[in-house]
Amino acid sequence: GEDVEQSLFLSVREGDSSVINCTYTDSSSTYLYWYKQEPGAGLQLLTYIFSNMDMKQDQRLTVLLNKKDKHLSLRIADTQTGDSAIYFCAEGSAVDYKLSFGAGTTVTVRA
Amino acid sequence: ETGVTQTPRHLVMGMTNKKSLKCEQHLGHNAMYWYKQSAKKPLELMFVYNFKEQTENNSVPSRFSPECPNSSHLFLHLHTLQPEDSALYLCASSHDQGAGTEAFFGQGTRLTVV
Repeated sequence: GEDVEQSLFLSVREGDSSVINCTYTDSSSTYLYWYKQEPGAGLQLLTYIFSNMDMKQDQRLTVLLNKKDKHLSLRIADTQTGDSAIYFCAEGSAVDYKLSFGAGTTVTVRA
Repeated sequence: ETGVTQTPRHLVMGMTNKKSLKCEQHLGHNAMYWYKQSAKKPLELMFVYNFKEQTENNSVPSRFSPECPNSSHLFLHLHTLQPEDSALYLCASSHDQGAGTEAFFGQGTRLTVV
């Protein structure tokens, strides 16, 4: 099966950059995703990157993909208190398009 | 508001009870999913329906029984659950099961089995 791993916790000071890392195992993944889950809510798609790309930038979010090492990261610039949430990394299989999620990284933004 | 609504938001049930979780979407999506979210563990895909047909059953115990009467509604029927089944159950939908399709999630039902 596919394994997606990410660290469980990240604490960052308001205004600093946050970097959330993720590793995956399925080399056939076509899309890699970042979802955000705020307290009491479901998951919401933040951004995604196609597997033939190295980087994608969307306002404060930068996604970096190292396909050789199967490593994905999400950088949040100028982290705000509203960015406190659980961030899930997910990969989409090219075979059956199923999403495999990591356990989520809880990001806490401190003043 | 993602367009996917789950009810109830919270549910406490005894091990001998029978209850059902409901999911509704009016996004015109053809694929619907049940996920189980437990603390510190990856999201577990439980069931997938595509055009009302079940296309995936991820080795889920028979005490969980899904039902998809139409493409807008998905149920998860629960009976004789165990305390380890306590978790957040998330419903999701997507336009189809193709690559790059965005999944929209409901807010989840927090289930506690006592």
